[in-house]
Amino acid sequence: DIQMIQSPSSVSASVGDRVTITCRASQSIRNWLAWYQQKPGKVPKLLIYGASSLDSGVPSRFSGSGSGTDFTLTISSLQPEDSATYYCQQANNFPITFGQGTRLEIK
Amino acid sequence: EVQLLESGGGLVQPGGSLRLSCAASGFTFSNYWMHWVRQAPGKGLEWVSAINTGGERTFYADSVKGRFTISRDNSKDTVFLQINSLRAGDTAVYFCTKYCTTNSRCFDPWGQGTLVTVSS
Repeated sequence: DIQMIQSPSSVSASVGDRVTITCRASQSIRNWLAWYQQKPGKVPKLLIYGASSLDSGVPSRFSGSGSGTDFTLTISSLQPEDSATYYCQQANNFPITFGQGTRLEIK
Repeated sequence: EVQLLESGGGLVQPGGSLRLSCAASGFTFSNYWMHWVRQAPGKGLEWVSAINTGGERTFYADSVKGRFTISRDNSKDTVFLQINSLRAGDTAVYFCTKYCTTNSRCFDPWGQGTLVTVSS
C-alpha cells in the first residue's frame, strides 16, 4: 500500500501568512494527488486535483504543486475561514490512501 | 445539482450487519466509479471501497476485505455497502462519493454521511 505522510500534523499561522503543507508518498503516484479541506462537522471539500488543478470555485490563494512523491499545498495569504483540517489523497493505486491530516489554526 | 444521499446507518452490536445505501442524482450515475470513505470519530479519512461503472470490478481496504461488499444498481442510481461482522473499530461516519469526472480520480462531491456505531 502507498503511504501518504503529511507534514506538519498541525500548524498555527496568522491572517495574511503564507502556509505550506507537504505530502510525501512512499512511492511514485505520478500526479494522482488531490487535496481536501474539512471543517469540523462538515463534509470534505475538494480543493486541488491532479496535484495542481484548482477545483471550480476554490479561491486562487490555494495552489498545489509536485509530482512523483513530493507534493505541496500552499495558501498564499491565509484567511480566517481557512481554519480547517487538510488531507492529501493518492489515487494512483488501490487501495486509495489519505494522509493523516494537517490541522490549520488561525492565531 | 449533483447529490449523494446515504442511509442505513445506525447502532449495531459487534458481529452484526448493516446495509448502507447511497442514492445519487444530478449526474449520469452509470458513467462513474463510486466509492465509500469512512471517518471514525475525531480521526482522519479512510478509503473503504470502490466499484467500477458496470459493477464488475470492486476494491477494498485491507481492514474491511472479506467483511464488506460493495455493489450498485445502475437502474436505481444507487450504490450499496453491505457491512458484516462489525467490530468496534468500524464505528465511523460512512461517506459516499464519486470520482470527480469520468477520467479523474479525485472525490467530488461527498454525501453528508451516515453514522455507524458498533457497540454492545
